[in-house]
Amino acid sequence: ELKVEQNPLFLSMQEGKNYTIYCNYSTTSDRLYWYRQDPGKSLESLFVLLSNGAVKQEGRLMASLDTKARLSTLHITAAVHDLSATYFCAVDSNTGNQFYFGTGTSLTVIP
Amino acid sequence: NAGVMQNPRHLVRRRGQEARLRCSPMKGHSHVYWYRQLPEEGLKFMVYLQKENIIDESGMPKERFSAEFPKEGPSILRIQQVVRGDSAAYFCASSPFTGQDSGANVLTFGAGSRLTVL
Repeated sequence: ELKVEQNPLFLSMQEGKNYTIYCNYSTTSDRLYWYRQDPGKSLESLFVLLSNGAVKQEGRLMASLDTKARLSTLHITAAVHDLSATYFCAVDSNTGNQFYFGTGTSLTVIP
Repeated sequence: NAGVMQNPRHLVRRRGQEARLRCSPMKGHSHVYWYRQLPEEGLKFMVYLQKENIIDESGMPKERFSAEFPKEGPSILRIQQVVRGDSAAYFCASSPFTGQDSGANVLTFGAGSRLTVL
């Protein structure tokens, strides 16, 4: 079974600081997804990374993919309170039948 | 476009009762996925369906759980004889296509159904 690991699991950071969330996965795949979940809410798609070296940016978030290292990163620049949420990465199987989600990173941005 | 609609949003059942969770995919989406999320955990894949077909149910518990996606109507996740351990949020997601050659297969999630078993 494909495994997807995220670290850290919990992240508390001050406003204005930068940090990176890491997502490692255990098999070859060149499709990596990042989602955001607010407490008690559903998951919202943030980024889709489709090839080695792909980089996507939206506001203070930037995601990248290294398929050779089986690693994706989600970089947060100058964090603000509104970014507090749980972030999940996900990889789909080669057949597309399943999406494997990481354990999630719970981010809290404190003033 | 109403998005992925799940109901009920909250469901309370006593041990031994049945729970039925419904999911209507986004318009134009013919692929439905069900996930379970336990408190403070990630999402666990349960089942993947297309209209009238179960494509992959490798994440479904062998007993008490079943899913369907009929030709007409919503997808239904059915849990028989619920136990306390079934208490969780159940998320449905839909997508328009799948497969390695189809490019991105972004899932659109519903708001979830939160099951509490007393």
